[in-house]
Amino acid sequence: GAGVSQSPRYKVAKRGQDVALRCDPISGHVSLFWYQQALGQGPEFLTYFQNEAQLDKSGLPSDRFFAERPEGSVSTLKIQRTQQEDSAVYLCASSLLAGVEADTQYFGPGTRLTVL
Amino acid sequence: AQTVTQSQPEMSVQEAETVTLSCTYDTSESDYYLFWYKQPPSRQMILVIRQEAYKQQNATENRFSVNFQKAAKSFSLKISDSQLGDAAMYFCAYRPDYGGATNKLIFGTGTLLAVQP
Repeated sequence: GAGVSQSPRYKVAKRGQDVALRCDPISGHVSLFWYQQALGQGPEFLTYFQNEAQLDKSGLPSDRFFAERPEGSVSTLKIQRTQQEDSAVYLCASSLLAGVEADTQYFGPGTRLTVL
Repeated sequence: AQTVTQSQPEMSVQEAETVTLSCTYDTSESDYYLFWYKQPPSRQMILVIRQEAYKQQNATENRFSVNFQKAAKSFSLKISDSQLGDAAMYFCAYRPDYGGATNKLIFGTGTLLAVQP
């Protein structure tokens, strides 16, 4: 595809439900990032993949958050037992290279999660 | 830890005029990258401009330019000849460059720019 896509665009969950958010990066991009953007705030880093390897998950707020990228392309962010504080826009970004190269991160449109 | 501060929550500019958005950051690193991203109401972030810290020359992209002051840790964005399509949330972002680490972006809280016709 031409850009990063994410699905669903909107998700409403009842507190305690599990949700799965999908990210399709630009084809061939090695690096994939997940960010969380609370209302009125800038995005905050959650986790990073280089191909299928999750090299950094330091931003995941709790063990209820889990991400995977099993074949080095599509990634899924899963949130178990959702809480109201999980309500946010979840952004996915991909970049062509990895490591020290200063290449551009391309962002998807995000998934707006609302937990009731 | 690195931080990015945008002290202007909202700004307004008349169409065709010039506006400057401020950004300061805090880091002990000498090599890093700075970015300005635009987030229109559709919420897809778009890269506006980037600056490598080792470059003294300020980056320019058409109507967008930066004033990078490394010693002052300041990175402002100037938008010339403002257009209605420039209306958006603008985020300043920092990325370290220390080899092998995650190239994660650290964002400020954003400045909402309104363009008045």
